[in-house]
Amino acid sequence: SQQGEEDPQALSIQEGENATMNCSYKTSINNLQWYRQNSGRGLVHLILIRSNEREKHSGRLRVTLDTSKKSSSLLITASRAADTASYFCATAERRGQGAQKLVFGQGTRLTINP
Amino acid sequence: GAVVSQHPSRVICKSGTSVKIECRSLDFQATTMFWYRQFPKKSLMLMATSNEGSKATYEQGVEKDKFLINHASLTLSTLTVTSAHPEDSSFYICSAAQWGMRGEQYFGPGTRLTVT
Repeated sequence: SQQGEEDPQALSIQEGENATMNCSYKTSINNLQWYRQNSGRGLVHLILIRSNEREKHSGRLRVTLDTSKKSSSLLITASRAADTASYFCATAERRGQGAQKLVFGQGTRLTINP
Repeated sequence: GAVVSQHPSRVICKSGTSVKIECRSLDFQATTMFWYRQFPKKSLMLMATSNEGSKATYEQGVEKDKFLINHASLTLSTLTVTSAHPEDSSFYICSAAQWGMRGEQYFGPGTRLTVT
């Protein structure tokens, strides 16, 4: 079943403003990851936050995780036109040893207006 | 590092033919590769998981005889769409992971399949 539902589905802001996207999920997770996808392209891994972490930073990105609420947020500060893309959260459930199956949310289409 | 390629990037085929898509990890050995399907403006749907040297594990609702997956080496997995129909038109994305890579998957650039 799908989990990792995101809101808003679409977000349009002015360059320089901050963009916040939220993700909710339903089951216990090992970690939660955020990805970016430019139109018609593959996914780029942005950041991974483990279930025992509450906040993580990477450059202009800030991710929070609240396991009690089963939710996560991605904040992009000082947005740039080049940040225009779709952003997906993905939750990971561990499958025995080895790589984890990811379940993706529906994504947020972010548009940064110059 | 951790680069994944897909070939072809775009393919157009006629109904009833088969199409093979390749996914390669270029600078690491991928013990596991995943195949996803994405409809326009939609999320990624996991189709199957393949481990090198073993049969792929398909997600519920995915026809294994229609979407043949082979993971013959640690750097190559192939997805063959057999007897393609227009409804198979989609964006197919692979990802690759390696045990010990801290749970991260690295995604290929995707293949746009159009069946006419």
